[in-house]
Amino acid sequence: GAVVSQHPSWVICKSGTSVKIECRSLDFQATTMFWYRQFPKQSLMLMATSNEGSKATYEQGVEKDKFLINHASLTLSTLTVTSAHPEDSSFYICSAGPSYNEQFFGPGTRLTVL
Amino acid sequence: QKEVEQNSGPLSVPEGAIASLNCTYSDRVSQSFFWYRQYSGKSPELIMSIYSNGDKEDGRFTAQLNKASQYVSLLIRDSQPSDSATYLCAGLLTGGGNKLTFGTGTQLKVEL
Repeated sequence: GAVVSQHPSWVICKSGTSVKIECRSLDFQATTMFWYRQFPKQSLMLMATSNEGSKATYEQGVEKDKFLINHASLTLSTLTVTSAHPEDSSFYICSAGPSYNEQFFGPGTRLTVL
Repeated sequence: QKEVEQNSGPLSVPEGAIASLNCTYSDRVSQSFFWYRQYSGKSPELIMSIYSNGDKEDGRFTAQLNKASQYVSLLIRDSQPSDSATYLCAGLLTGGGNKLTFGTGTQLKVEL
């Protein structure tokens, strides 16, 4: 399958700081990438669709000013959690795929906000 | 009705048995379905995709799709302890581009 990487794999930050998470497609180009969040023992929740060269599309209830998404190239999307608070602590996972029908997930980024 | 529904389990099977995981979906989900395996603390890994009615086999895994009943299943033959994980059923949202919607996952435990 296609390879998607994420960086960092984990991050601990103080409340009020911003954290940037990178998602890269390593062996294919992705005009669309997806960002998910997963709380413990819960399923994946789609946060937003990242579109190369245009604005991201956010799911209902997700604050676009808090979760900034930039998709500046066909292989890189970034998610910035601004002014992070403890309730933002979660497992953030991106996905992308070389074709319309298949998505592959990155390894995820575990964010802990103190 | 939720878009994709799964029994949360846990489903316990003895080593070597067949594990059967099931999923139903609503009209808001299109005819493309995926099974992901997720180990604790890790991200989901794509195991199988199925688009047509019937069975699709890949090694020890068989996915089954019944569009009339809006039902998808995953069979794991010769279950191994390493198969113990949460299995997520997902489908593409109708008219949603290539947005996936996930079930809550079924926890599988393969016991020695």
